[in-house]
Amino acid sequence: DGGITQSPKYLFRKEGQNVTLSCEQNLNHDAMYWYRQDPGQGLRLIYYSQIVNDFQKGDIAEGYSVSREKKESFPLTVTSAQKNPTAFYLCASRDREVHYGYTFGSGTRLTVV
Amino acid sequence: AQKVTQAQTEISVVEKEDVTLDCVYETRDTTYYLFWYKQPPSGELVFLIRRNSFDEQNEISGRYSWNFQKSTSSFNFTITASQVVDSAVYFCALTSANAGGTSYGKLTFGQGTILTVHP
Repeated sequence: DGGITQSPKYLFRKEGQNVTLSCEQNLNHDAMYWYRQDPGQGLRLIYYSQIVNDFQKGDIAEGYSVSREKKESFPLTVTSAQKNPTAFYLCASRDREVHYGYTFGSGTRLTVV
Repeated sequence: AQKVTQAQTEISVVEKEDVTLDCVYETRDTTYYLFWYKQPPSGELVFLIRRNSFDEQNEISGRYSWNFQKSTSSFNFTITASQVVDSAVYFCALTSANAGGTSYGKLTFGQGTILTVHP
């Protein structure tokens, strides 16, 4: 079945460490997105990529980095510069046109210990 | 800039009650899409409905119905005869369909409404 796989489901990070969240899709979708979810704040866009080898900052990109070397993969690195990284992270993908809608992964819960 | 507001942070009802979740949006685009998603405790977002800005017909799907009113920039969601399994966080979202615009394809979410249905 086609879909988005996010791994790991739970991740613990020590302060000062970088950590990378994986997002893989086999839907052949062009666009991919990373969202952060905090209680009471909905989902906020971190980074997005419309095509391979291209990506743009979203609303809260500071302290994060991404790459899009392959169409099916869009990993997110949470760097030590991100002051409050504890959150739930969701990856999504979208087919060429927006009316086809979006597919979401099951998320990664990151906790700083 | 786009904005979606879900003013109801939490709603608590008893099973079989009807419940309406409000969604108000702001956009400068003339063509856009509105969505509702359900997020159960597992965390994954489950797609419920998509509506484009040119289609103001209300839609009913089983116990779910949606009321889209462009004049008031609202896209409200009603669950009839609620059930315990409806307990979840519900998100309203908006994306521009204006290809070439800066907001094209970027999905903007509301803050979410936590719905709890008690038996």
